[in-house]
Amino acid sequence: NAGVTQTPKFRVLKTGQSMTLLCAQDMNHEYMYWYRQDPGMGLRLIHYSVGEGTTAKGEVPDGYNVSRLKKQNFLLGLESAAPSQTSVYFCASSYYDQERGWPNYGYTFGSGTRLTVV
Amino acid sequence: SQQGEEDPQALSIQEGENATMNCSYKTSINNLQWYRQNSGRGLVHLILIRSNEREKHSGRLRVTLDTSKKSSSLLITASRAADTASYFCATDLRGGYQKVTFGTGTKLQVIP
Repeated sequence: NAGVTQTPKFRVLKTGQSMTLLCAQDMNHEYMYWYRQDPGMGLRLIHYSVGEGTTAKGEVPDGYNVSRLKKQNFLLGLESAAPSQTSVYFCASSYYDQERGWPNYGYTFGSGTRLTVV
Repeated sequence: SQQGEEDPQALSIQEGENATMNCSYKTSINNLQWYRQNSGRGLVHLILIRSNEREKHSGRLRVTLDTSKKSSSLLITASRAADTASYFCATDLRGGYQKVTFGTGTKLQVIP
């Protein structure tokens, strides 16, 4: 049972390069999220998705795009990387609690992608 | 902007002692959660307390919530070296959003 898997784990990019971070979950969760974690800033929400084919902006969406073509995958793209995007990126997923009638807020996190933009 | 702010930013205690960390938030919430993050790893969900609850226990963890003061505390009793980690509070927002915001974390060091 893998849970949430993020690839790659580490990456160094040059300014202006593009890349895609992949998040895959095998728990059939409806909700998926991308966060970035910077020292002293905690986790900040970049984009999120409440279901296949839907995405929405979070707190810090500029410079990022996302896609959720399949329920189990949530992709985060950087079209033109900037040094300010140097960070650790975390993907998380969650599900709708049918019994309680609201989303489950006990997120399952991936192990992170450490991205450095030089 | 951060919804939750933890206090203290860092805490160092001896093994066997209790550790208390606090979280303050700004706007009304439906629930509040605590997560643990070991160095270099993803966050792990510890406990969730709903806005109509005042106290909740899970093993050596005790969480309290005071909605009038917009604050919560996490108590870890009889701490162990393995509890060394960063602890984050997370809050949802009233209004039906399916997402939470995280605080900046408390770094706990338990000295054997």
